[in-house]
Amino acid sequence: AQSVTQLDSHVSVSEGTPVLLRCNYSSSYSPSLFWYVQHPNKGLQLLLKYTSAATLVKGINGFEAEFKKSETSFHLTKPSAHMSDAAEYFCVVRPSGNTPLVFGKGTRLSVIA
Amino acid sequence: DARVTQTPRHKVTEMGQEVTMRCQPILGHNTVFWYRQTMMQGLELLAYFRNRAPLDDSGMPKDRFSAEMPDATLATLKIQPSEPRDSAVYFCASGLVMGVTSGPHSGANVLTFGAGSRLTVL
Repeated sequence: AQSVTQLDSHVSVSEGTPVLLRCNYSSSYSPSLFWYVQHPNKGLQLLLKYTSAATLVKGINGFEAEFKKSETSFHLTKPSAHMSDAAEYFCVVRPSGNTPLVFGKGTRLSVIA
Repeated sequence: DARVTQTPRHKVTEMGQEVTMRCQPILGHNTVFWYRQTMMQGLELLAYFRNRAPLDDSGMPKDRFSAEMPDATLATLKIQPSEPRDSAVYFCASGLVMGVTSGPHSGANVLTFGAGSRLTVL
């Protein structure tokens, strides 16, 4: 079965330090991968997407993610956390073109001043 | 910015009452999804429409839930009768799918989500 695993349910970082949110997926095909962010009481917003082009994907707000097929990972990073980055982040995989999106359980990012 | 609009944002009701949630998708988007988000289950796909036709509602409890799209600017999700276990945040999302495809989300690389309707059933 296709799945996506976000390895940390909660990550806490200090403002100005790097952010790493981990995501591993299982897929028999070449997947499309996404990261969405959800701020409190808001809907999900697309951060970035990978669809078999460059393996390093740059998104909004300084976030980027690297697709590593050998590790089946798509970790989200940012060099320097900002207070406004505090939110819930979802890793999402579409295993192939005609299959449903599979959402991870989410990782809550806290940023400490 | 184009956005998906959901109403109501918050709803508190008593068990047994009917609840209707509404969604206005982005103009021009031809695919509309309903999701439910809970702490225990995360995001679950309930139903989706393409060109206003319901394509899959297998994620939805059929005995009490119904989803419709009376026109291109309105999608509704109704629960009758509501139960405490229906308490959740319900999200609507829309996307544009080009060409002939099958399966939910097929071709819809990017979904735009509404802000959600938080439902509490007492």
